[in-house]
Amino acid sequence: ETGVTQTPRHLVMGMTNKKSLKCEQHLGHNAMYWYKQSAKKPLELMFVYSLEERVENNSVPSRFSPECPNSSHLFLHLHTLQPEDSALYLCASSQGRFWSYNEQFFGPGTRLTVL
Amino acid sequence: AQTVTQSQPEMSVQEAETVTLSCTYDTSESDYYLFWYKQPPSRQMILVIRQEAYKQQNATENRFSVNFQKAAKSFSLKISDSQLGDAAMYFCAYRVQDRDDKIIFGKGTRLHILP
Repeated sequence: ETGVTQTPRHLVMGMTNKKSLKCEQHLGHNAMYWYKQSAKKPLELMFVYSLEERVENNSVPSRFSPECPNSSHLFLHLHTLQPEDSALYLCASSQGRFWSYNEQFFGPGTRLTVL
Repeated sequence: AQTVTQSQPEMSVQEAETVTLSCTYDTSESDYYLFWYKQPPSRQMILVIRQEAYKQQNATENRFSVNFQKAAKSFSLKISDSQLGDAAMYFCAYRVQDRDDKIIFGKGTRLHILP
């Protein structure tokens, strides 16, 4: 596989469920990101990891819990979500958090529906 | 606060014609980076073009070019000779190089190409 992959591509869950989203990058990058994309709203940056260390948390509710075990993998653990959390969750990676010139490479996203 | 505004939620252009997507931003920083990303219906977001704020020369990438007006905080994207494959959501993004690695996206412009 090349680029940034995300699994699952679609997820439907109840408010009491616990699930995890997975992201993997095959580009040798050292920074990874989680974004939330809702209809008619700007793309929201949720979490930033650089060299496996979380460096940014944009006031995301604690029902979202990220994990970055190594520079190639990123998880988003979900528990007791609300219907308004339904959205497309995008993962991205880039080379060097402090090299802002570098573009981000995005995965295809996970379409999450919370019932 | 840093913001990115795309004032055109949707636009249409005839195939082979030229279209310009607008983007304005608000910042007090002097050194930053601007990006245009494209998200086709398949959802994988890709970089179209980037611009460093310290460069006066407008960036160009084949049929894509920008009109960067730093004083006006404007960063429009011009697509020449529009093709059916250009149909997508286009996002303008602002990124400043600091510890927090802030990346701010606009709400996007959906571009339709009319055959």
